[in-house]
Amino acid sequence: AQSVSQHNHHVILSEAASLELGCNYSYGGTVNLFWYVQYPGQHLQLLLKYFSGDPLVKGIKGFEAEFIKSKFSFNLRKPSVQWSDTAEYFCAVNRYNNNDMRFGAGTRLTVKP
Amino acid sequence: ETGVTQTPRHLVMGMTNKKSLKCEQHLGHNAMYWYKQSAKKPLELMFVYSLEERVENNSVPSRFSPECPNSSHLFLHLHTLQPEDSALYLCASSPGTSGPYNEQFFGPGTRLTVL
Repeated sequence: AQSVSQHNHHVILSEAASLELGCNYSYGGTVNLFWYVQYPGQHLQLLLKYFSGDPLVKGIKGFEAEFIKSKFSFNLRKPSVQWSDTAEYFCAVNRYNNNDMRFGAGTRLTVKP
Repeated sequence: ETGVTQTPRHLVMGMTNKKSLKCEQHLGHNAMYWYKQSAKKPLELMFVYSLEERVENNSVPSRFSPECPNSSHLFLHLHTLQPEDSALYLCASSPGTSGPYNEQFFGPGTRLTVL
């Protein structure tokens, strides 16, 4: 079965630190990849997505993610986090032409001012 | 302002009650979804509707019954729930269900508590 693994349950950083959140998936075929963010008290929002082309994708608020097909990974990065980045981050994967979107368990990011 | 709205935002019900969750999308999308979000667990896809037809049902207990009367509205009818069904229920919509069209937009969720 397709699964999505997020390595860190809770990450705590100080402002201006660099961020990398890991995401690995188990499916070997063509996939679509997403990172969603859920700020406290708000709904899930799309940060960025990968469908094809350049494996380095840029999203909103200075986030980027790199698709490494050989490693089945789609890690999220930000060079310098802000207090306002405190949120829960979810990686999601679905196979091309498949309805079944699978989410990771989420990583809670706390940024200390 | 999200293009996907959900009502009610909070619901407390007893195990013998019957209630319904409502979702409406204002984005002109063709697909709608129900997810269950429990603490410290991945989002679980429950149902997928595409053009008002159910295309996915991930082994959800029959005490959850979805209804999609048109492409803008989605309901989740609840009856004889169990306390372990307490969770945040999220609705989402997408332009389609394949490839780039599967980018999903989420509503704020309904926080359900079963006593």
